[in-house]
Formats: sequence, structure tokens, C-alpha cells
Amino acid sequence: DIQMTQSPSSLSASVGDRVTITCRASQGISNSLAWYQQKPGKAPKLLLYAASRLESGVPSRFSGSGSGTDYTLTISSLQPEDFATYYCQQYYSTPQLTFGGGTKVEIK
Amino acid sequence: EVQLVESGGGLVQPGGSLRLSCAASGFTFSSYSMNWVRQAPGKGLEWVSYISSSSSTIYYADSVKGRFTISRDNAKNSLYLQMNSLRAEDTAVYYCARVRVGGGLFDYWGQGTLVTVSS
Repeated sequence: DIQMTQSPSSLSASVGDRVTITCRASQGISNSLAWYQQKPGKAPKLLLYAASRLESGVPSRFSGSGSGTDYTLTISSLQPEDFATYYCQQYYSTPQLTFGGGTKVEIK
Repeated sequence: EVQLVESGGGLVQPGGSLRLSCAASGFTFSSYSMNWVRQAPGKGLEWVSYISSSSSTIYYADSVKGRFTISRDNAKNSLYLQMNSLRAEDTAVYYCARVRVGGGLFDYWGQGTLVTVSS
């Protein structure tokens, strides 16, 4: 199975800050990477796919980049509603789809 | 509007069984592959099982293989997960999730149903 490692596992930031979350795959995944946002008690929500493509309805302050094994999610200006846990997921190796361990974004 | 509504969770003793259901609406259910994904309390997401649109292809995570059975009824727009020989480590919120056509990513999720395995 492809292992996905996210960092950091948590971070504290202020409204308006630029936030970057990293996801590293144990082998190349050819941009087959999705990012999800999960708020407490809620289901995950798809934010980006194909490493950098924004899902419909997702604010443009979210962006993704990367290639090969290393990918990043960036929130350009953190908003109050962005405080949540973020997960990456590879879909290069199906059916063994794997998620990163999550990054909790908390209010500083 | 796409909706996925899970049901069937609850408290069960170790070694027991439970059947989860997921009712789908707002899209052509028979055209989409579906999955179950779980999340243990305070933990991350874990893919559990996959079923293709016609039920011709089914996969399981190693952690549940031989104990869980995924199925679907396209006439009833429903997805199921039969869970047998349950263990404490199966305690989690179970989500049904739709797979986007052409990719292995999950574009819609249900609200989840909690399964607690405890004596």
C-alpha cells in the first residue's frame, strides 16, 4: 500500500495567515491526490483533486500543488470557517486508497 | 441534490454482527461506484470497502477482509455493509461515499453512523 504522510499534524494560525500543509507519498502518485476538509462531527468535504484542481464551490483561497511524491495544500488567507482538520488522499493505487493522518488547523 | 444517509449503527458486543445501510438520492445511483470509509474516535480516515456500479467488482481493506461484506441494491438506491465477527478496533463512524466517475476520489459523503463494539 502507498503510505501518505502529512505534516504538520497540527498547527495554530491566525485569521489572515497563509497556511501550508504538506503530504508526502511513499511512492510517486502522478498527481492522483485529493484534499478534504473535515469539521468536528461532520463528514469530510472534497476541496481539491488531481493535486491542484479546485472542486466546484470551493473558495479560491485554497490551492494545491506538487508532483511525484510531494504535495502541498495552501490556504492563502485563513478565514474563521477554515479551522478544521485537513486530509490528503491518494487515488493512484486503487483499490487500496489511503489517506494521510490529518492536519488540524487551530486558532492561535 | 446528492444525499447519502447511513443507518444501522449502534452498540454491539465483540463477536457480534451489524448491518449498515446507506440510502442514496439525487443522482443515478446505478451509475456510480460506492465505498465505505470509517473513522475511529479521534483518529483519521480509513478506507474499508469498494463496490462497482454493477457489483461486479468488490474490494476490502485487509483489516476487514473475511468479516465484512459490501453489497448494493440499485433498484432500491441502497448500499449495505454486513459486519460480522466485530472487534473493539472496528469501533468507528462509518461513512458511505460516492466515487467520482473516472477517479478514486470521494465527491460526496454521508453524515456517518457510529458503530461501537464493546462488552
